[in-house]
Amino acid sequence: GAGVSQSPRYKVAKRGQDVALRCDPISGHVSLFWYQQALGQGPEFLTYFQNEAQLDKSGLPSDRFFAERPEGSVSTLKIQRTQQEDSAVYLCASSPDRERYTEAFFGQGTRLTVV
Amino acid sequence: QKEVEQDPGPLSVPEGAIVSLNCTYSNSAFQYFMWYRQYSRKGPELLMYTYSSGNKEDGRFTAQVDKSSKYISLFIRDSQPSDSATYLCAPREGGSEKLVFGKGTKLTVNP
Repeated sequence: GAGVSQSPRYKVAKRGQDVALRCDPISGHVSLFWYQQALGQGPEFLTYFQNEAQLDKSGLPSDRFFAERPEGSVSTLKIQRTQQEDSAVYLCASSPDRERYTEAFFGQGTRLTVV
Repeated sequence: QKEVEQDPGPLSVPEGAIVSLNCTYSNSAFQYFMWYRQYSRKGPELLMYTYSSGNKEDGRFTAQVDKSSKYISLFIRDSQPSDSATYLCAPREGGSEKLVFGKGTKLTVNP
């Protein structure tokens, strides 16, 4: 039974390097979310897709952060010129449709460490 | 002041104890109130949710929302060592897709 799959699980990047984080949502799920979870904190919303449309990107912390979901399934979160403050766990979640946001299923996350 | 405040603990209880976990919030537009459980190095998993004020029970878990005082609670009866995790409250506005998480409370249930 496939849940939300994220890769890589762990990523170490040198400061200034670009990184790409991948999310494979549950098959058929319309809605996809990205959250950032700093150490000892709750997840914070980054962005939301409904199919391929990015409907809310209000949580992206800077223009170094970019997310896409070109075919309405797999999504990629890209961070350019990584900084130490970008170190966090990046969580992806998907839900069946617009009416059932409460049924968001989370992946295990990608732990990004910027050195 | 953050929109959602949650005491991070840690909270340590003996097996079988009743556990009370709480959050306060400031946004009157919140209508859905979720509780997530997060095991170490895992993603959050939805435990239960309530809509507006009231109680909801699911097995050993009871969620309560008091919108008049902007207070959210999760009670765990007969706690088990397997309940040891971080518990996150996450309300959201009606019509919004965005969850606003508390900091999470780390719970340890000792055998």
